[in-house]
Order: sequence, then structure tokens, then C-alpha cells
Amino acid sequence: EDQVTQSPEALRLQEGESSSLNCSYTVSGLRGLFWYRQDPGKGPEFLFTLYSAGEEKEKERLKATLTKKESFLHITAPKPEDSATYLCAVQADADKLIFGTGTRLQVFP
Amino acid sequence: DSGVTQTPKHLITATGQRVTLRCSPRSGDLSVYWYQQSLDQGLQFLIQYYNGEERAKGNILERFSAQQFPDLHSELNLSSLELGDSALYFCASRGPPNYGYTFGSGTRLTVV
Repeated sequence: EDQVTQSPEALRLQEGESSSLNCSYTVSGLRGLFWYRQDPGKGPEFLFTLYSAGEEKEKERLKATLTKKESFLHITAPKPEDSATYLCAVQADADKLIFGTGTRLQVFP
Repeated sequence: DSGVTQTPKHLITATGQRVTLRCSPRSGDLSVYWYQQSLDQGLQFLIQYYNGEERAKGNILERFSAQQFPDLHSELNLSSLELGDSALYFCASRGPPNYGYTFGSGTRLTVV
């Protein structure tokens, strides 16, 4: 069964303290791995799509990487406005996304 | 504004009632996906429509149904509502190539 597991469930960082979020997956035939940011009560906001092992993408303080079994979202020198829930999802067969339960990130000054 | 429009934003209704949630995908997108997000669970895929046809089904209850109309907007119908149906319901459409799925801002359903 296709599955996505994210860790940690929650992460508290001081401003400027870099860290990584993990997304491990088991899926038959990965067609894409997606990272989203979700603020409370809002819809998920697209960050990155990764398609093959070894691929990396960057956007401001965020960098996503992909291996055959997991993906990491690296946050460099985070700021309080980076506080949000970060969601990982995989697209296997069909066209649907399978989401993990997310990592709640809090960055305090 | 993501380009995916969902109405209403909030809905409060009683158990046993029926409600309809509406979604308009991004201009030009033919697919619509419905997801449910409960307090303790991640986003759960419910159903997908493509150009008016049902394309894929997830963990959608028999009390729930959906359709996509010729103008590509979609409606999710929830009937015989239970307290446990209280959740955020999101609609998404597929973005441009190499882009992710674009989500609307959701409908918060509260069943009392």
C-alpha cells in the first residue's frame, strides 16, 4: 500500500537555526513527490515537485532533495514567517496525491 | 488568490442534513480533485473528475457524491451528515506542467 510518513510531527526552532524535515515513502511507481506549505485554516501552497532520485530544488531558504526512499526539506536560517505546517505528498498511479500528516514548524525570534 | 475558487468558506449545519460544496478550477484546468482534512488526519483524497467524468475514487463515503459540470465547476454533495464529517474540504486542480496541484482555500464544515 502506498504510504507517506513525515517526521518529526512538530519542530521548534530559534530564528536562524537550520534544520531538516523528513518525508519517507513507499510507493509503487513514483510519478512525483510534492512539498506544500499550509498555514492554519488555509489551503496548501505549492512549494516543489521532485521527480527522480538525486533531484534538488531551492526556493529562498528552502531546499528539497529526493532519494529512492525519502525526501528532505532543508530550512536554512529560518525566520518566524516560515512557521507553518509542511506537507509532503506523492503521486503514484492514477492522478491522486497521497499526503503525509505533516510537520508543524514553529520558528521563534 | 490561487485561481481555484471554493464556496462557501464556512458552513455550519445540523446532523442529518445535506450540504453542497462548490469548486471552480483554475482557468483551463480540466481536472478537479476533492480532499478532506480532519483535525487529526492528513489530507485524504476523496474523488477526482476530469472533463466531466469520474476518473478516480478514494476513501469517499457512500453518503458523499460529486459531479463536474460542462463549465468544469464541481460540486461535492454531503448527505445524512454526522458529527465526524466536520472537517476542511479542499478542492484542487492540476497546474501547468512541472507545477503542483493548486488548492483552493477550502470550505470549513461544522456539523452540530
